Amino acid sequence: GAVVSQHPSRVICKSGTSVKIECRSLDFQATTMFWYRQFPKQSLMLMATSNEGSKATYEQGVEKDKFLINHASLTLSTLTVTSAHPEDSSFYICSALPGGAYNSPLHFGNGTRLTVT
Amino acid sequence: SQKIEQNSEALNIQEGKTATLTCNYTNYSPAYLQWYRQDPGRGPVFLLLIRENEKEKRKERLKVTFDTTLKQSLFHITASQPADSATYLCALSAGNNRKLIWGLGTSLAVNP
Repeated sequence: GAVVSQHPSRVICKSGTSVKIECRSLDFQATTMFWYRQFPKQSLMLMATSNEGSKATYEQGVEKDKFLINHASLTLSTLTVTSAHPEDSSFYICSALPGGAYNSPLHFGNGTRLTVT
Repeated sequence: SQKIEQNSEALNIQEGKTATLTCNYTNYSPAYLQWYRQDPGRGPVFLLLIRENEKEKRKERLKVTFDTTLKQSLFHITASQPADSATYLCALSAGNNRKLIWGLGTSLAVNP
């Protein structure tokens, strides 16, 4: 149980275009989802916390106008990288918190490898 | 601010031996600590959670200890197998919220 599906797994886009990444909880409802970014040999860096039905909470240094997050339902959150640039190339991973309890384990998607050319 | 230190060097061990990975933190003791496994190009997978009032937790071949005096958690894999080769991440609760602070991870290679 507690499966999180993330799509696409890989995407290559040209500089200046936008890319949307979807994160779905398949067998549970997730009031809270988290979006992370991971550079090679670096730790997971939390970008934002996505709450169903309300605005996302962004971490310091993350541009909310560049990384648009929408959590319109209890099973879907999307991250849109707008006007992507090569420095946005990274591994983006979403995770969901079943039940919302703050000490529950996170369930992660398999990530999206974004390459901006 | 809270910092996490995990062995930065890769750990190579022989199949059948016990792998021991270390997670040290620098500041306040977290309410709980989690261990995850991450394979290349994949998202982390949850393994074990241990709370501050627990000294040890086991799950099959896995064992986690939590020493708040030493500010350290140890993660053990007994009877290691090549399939255990992966990066293991330690994560701490960041106060009274849902955020986690992540370590860099330790790469484990189990040689047949």
